[in-house]
Amino acid sequence: EAGVAQSPRYKIIEKRQSVAFWCNPISGHATLYWYQQILGQGPKLLIQFQNNGVVDDSQLPKDRFSAERLKGVDSTLKIQPAKLEDSAVYLCASSLSPGGEQYFGPGTRLTVT
Amino acid sequence: DAKTTQPPSMDCAEGRAANLPCNHSTISGNEYVYWYRQIHSQGPQYIIHGLKNNETNEMASLIITEDRKSSTLILPHATLRDTAVYYCIVRVNFNKFYFGSGTKLNVKP
Repeated sequence: EAGVAQSPRYKIIEKRQSVAFWCNPISGHATLYWYQQILGQGPKLLIQFQNNGVVDDSQLPKDRFSAERLKGVDSTLKIQPAKLEDSAVYLCASSLSPGGEQYFGPGTRLTVT
Repeated sequence: DAKTTQPPSMDCAEGRAANLPCNHSTISGNEYVYWYRQIHSQGPQYIIHGLKNNETNEMASLIITEDRKSSTLILPHATLRDTAVYYCIVRVNFNKFYFGSGTKLNVKP
């Protein structure tokens, strides 16, 4: 069974630029999560999708972050414009159903200079 | 915000049992306790979860106290590959996971 795929693995941008991350969840998993993990901290949930609908985006900085999950499969997370404090690893996870065991991808390491 | 408290780091000798404690004194009756671990530069990996009974699987055992205010994750025979950050998480409102800072377990030869 293929795991959660993410790309790119690494990205370096300058502040005020925009960036997008892509996630392909495990086939059949209806629930998809995006987390932000700052160095030395645990992952922080940014947004949760159930199929193509948003379940929880209470911790998403909506003035600069956006996410979509068209067709209820792949998802993209965008940051525009990026700030220095956005430097982190962005993790995507999926589960069969809300609250179920989450399977994480390898993450995208973003560095904002 | 995380509803759990864990020690920042622990050491364990290879081959010995690793016992990782977690406090969750404000846990509600229907909130599950989950454990994940994160090996360096990888995404977190599910280990085990439970509500009030002790649980065991091929990776670990989970012991939850009777009052459910704390739990212990047990790795029965730790290996060098178990060196990782271990997160104890309380699942809130059936679908929300709040990760704390976890415990860095160092398994030493």
